Amino acid sequence: DSGVTQTPKHLITATGQRVTLRCSPRSGDLSVYWYQQSLDQGLQFLIHYYNGEERAKGNILERFSAQQFPDLHSELNLSSLELGDSALYFCASSVATGGRSYNEQFFGPGTRLTVL
Amino acid sequence: GENVEQHPSTLSVQEGDSAVIKCTYSDSASNYFPWYKQELGKGPQLIIDIRSNVGEKKDQRIAVTLNKTAKHFSLHITETQPEDSAVYFCAASKGGGGFKTIFGAGTRLFVKA
Repeated sequence: DSGVTQTPKHLITATGQRVTLRCSPRSGDLSVYWYQQSLDQGLQFLIHYYNGEERAKGNILERFSAQQFPDLHSELNLSSLELGDSALYFCASSVATGGRSYNEQFFGPGTRLTVL
Repeated sequence: GENVEQHPSTLSVQEGDSAVIKCTYSDSASNYFPWYKQELGKGPQLIIDIRSNVGEKKDQRIAVTLNKTAKHFSLHITETQPEDSAVYFCAASKGGGGFKTIFGAGTRLFVKA
């Protein structure tokens, strides 16, 4: 158990809908990262938040947005869902501060999103 | 753009043999290289990492080597066991204000008993 929790575990929805995935980082971790894992794309970095602020962005679609709250939990919002958005979405956390040159990330168990 | 290539995509070895997975990265500013193991139905788990100021690191049966000049790093697993069977991912990231970690496509390792 990494100490990172994600809810829900599974989510089934229809095209065009909007969903929210939730992540609670390990106690004491200030950074949260979101990743998308699909069969044909591997693990894709989406976004990094540190202590409530966005710090790095990957290939995140405009239909996707995220935020990190004062209690450090994070939410990933996916809107106007398409069939291709079906994937595993992982959250990871680390203690990393902005000035460190490396970071050890701990992954949650993931949320499996199925868009029908 | 930034890219991490990983080979092979599938690797099958006999129990007790060694397994080697190789990765190359494109961004010369990358300075941290973690390796993750992902078992079925679980999230990736860090198994070993190496920083750019180190050429080699070992932890029991696993070791990682880094060649910064060639932008190449490798994972070595010795005395493989059936429980080593999983998907292994290499990754490269660089620090600064934010961390953008680029993952390789993964290697599915099968260890035959």
